Amino acid sequence: GAGVSQSPSNKVTEKGKDVELRCDPISGHTALYWYRQSLGQGLEFLIYFQGNSAPDKSGLPSDRFSAERTGGSVSTLTIQRTQQEDSAVYLCASSLDRRLFYEQYFGPGTRLTVT
Amino acid sequence: SQQGEEDPQALSIQEGENATMNCSYKTSINNLQWYRQNSGRGLVHLILIRSNEREKHSGRLRVTLDTSKKSSSLLITASRAADTASYFCATGDTGRRALTFGSGTRLQVQP
Repeated sequence: GAGVSQSPSNKVTEKGKDVELRCDPISGHTALYWYRQSLGQGLEFLIYFQGNSAPDKSGLPSDRFSAERTGGSVSTLTIQRTQQEDSAVYLCASSLDRRLFYEQYFGPGTRLTVT
Repeated sequence: SQQGEEDPQALSIQEGENATMNCSYKTSINNLQWYRQNSGRGLVHLILIRSNEREKHSGRLRVTLDTSKKSSSLLITASRAADTASYFCATGDTGRRALTFGSGTRLQVQP
């Protein structure tokens, strides 16, 4: 079946503009995660959705970042008033269930460049 | 800050040699996972070891876990040029809802 997909694959935006990044998880996966990876660095957790539970937003770096997940499937990460330090690869992952931390399936990521 | 820290940060070996990467973490965990990343894009899950396990094998991969030392190692035997990638450990603990990733080891396998 299809894996996790993300769009766009690359996004170049001017400082101060808003951007929306999309993630389509694997069908049937109840858990969805957003991570950020700066060049040559590890993954930084941003936000986590599990079913109908309230999302865990503890990793969002500022109130310019927000995310939603509609119908328990597609998720959108929004960055308002982008800054140059927001430049990174944004990775989305889904897993079957958060219990016992099932393996996560990652999308190819969106490379965001803020000029 | 990242809980998992990989060591070494970079490793270069010849094809056919074994590659060993280490990961240390700080808190109690439920499980530890290793992922591989090519070209700075999506990660691929390699293997998961639970906190009550000490060793696990999958093909050419061998993972060990020492919870008393809060460390894990990933061994890739008979490496191939195609193994060239970054490898990350990730820990899952009951206190968080998401995995905590380390900063990764960049492996270069020379043909």
